[in-house]
Amino acid sequence: QQPVQSPQAVILREGEDAVINCSSSKALYSVHWYRQKHGEAPVFLMILLKGGEQKGHEKISASFNEKKQQSSLYLTASQLSYSGTYFCGTDLYGQNFVFGPGTRLSVLP
Amino acid sequence: EAQVTQNPRYLITVTGKKLTVTCSQNMNHEYMSWYRQDPGLGLRQIYYSMNVEVTDKGDVPEGYKVSRKEKRNFPLILESPSPNQTSLYFCASSSMGTGVGLETQYFGPGTRLLVL
Repeated sequence: QQPVQSPQAVILREGEDAVINCSSSKALYSVHWYRQKHGEAPVFLMILLKGGEQKGHEKISASFNEKKQQSSLYLTASQLSYSGTYFCGTDLYGQNFVFGPGTRLSVLP
Repeated sequence: EAQVTQNPRYLITVTGKKLTVTCSQNMNHEYMSWYRQDPGLGLRQIYYSMNVEVTDKGDVPEGYKVSRKEKRNFPLILESPSPNQTSLYFCASSSMGTGVGLETQYFGPGTRLLVL
C-alpha cells in the first residue's frame, strides 16, 4: 500500500512555485518528506504529525489533511538547489514505513 | 559527527555467494531499517528493527536476513544472492518520538550491489 504521489515529474524555472501531493489509503500517524539528489542518500525535510504538529525545514512548508490522509509539500520561490526527487513516506506508528514512488523536480535557470 | 555508515559501498558478486552488508549508527537510535531502491519503484523497506533483538519484515523481505544483537549495528545478509537483488541499498536509523512514531530517518551513503 504504497502512497500515491503527484505529479510524477515537474520542471520549473528559478523563482517559480511547486506543489507535490501525497495520499494514502491507510490511517496514518505521520507523513514524512525527503529529498534525494542523484547518487546521494535521501535527506530529511519535514514530518507532519497527526494533530497538526510539524517538524522540519524552515523554507519549505507542508500540510497534512488527516481526514483525507493527504499531504502536500509546498516549494516556493524555487532555487536550483531544490532539484532532486521528493519522496513522501507514511509512518504507521513505526511499523512498516512506506515511501511513495517519488516526484522528480527539475529547477532550471 | 552523527552518522550512519555502511560497508561496502560497492559490491560485485556472483549468484549464490553469501554476503553481508554492514550498517552502524552512532546516535543511539532505537529504530533501524534497510531499504532497496530500484528505478521507478522508489525506496522499498526490506526489514526494520525497533530495538535490540526485535526485527520485523518490511515490504520486500524475501531473500534477505537481518539481525540486531547490538543497538548500533544492523547487518543485512543475503544468504544466496540472485540477479534480481541487484540494487542500491540504504540503511537508516531514527529515534522513536514521544508516543509511538518515527522521528527523522538518517540514511547511510548506500551500497550499490551487482549480482552476476
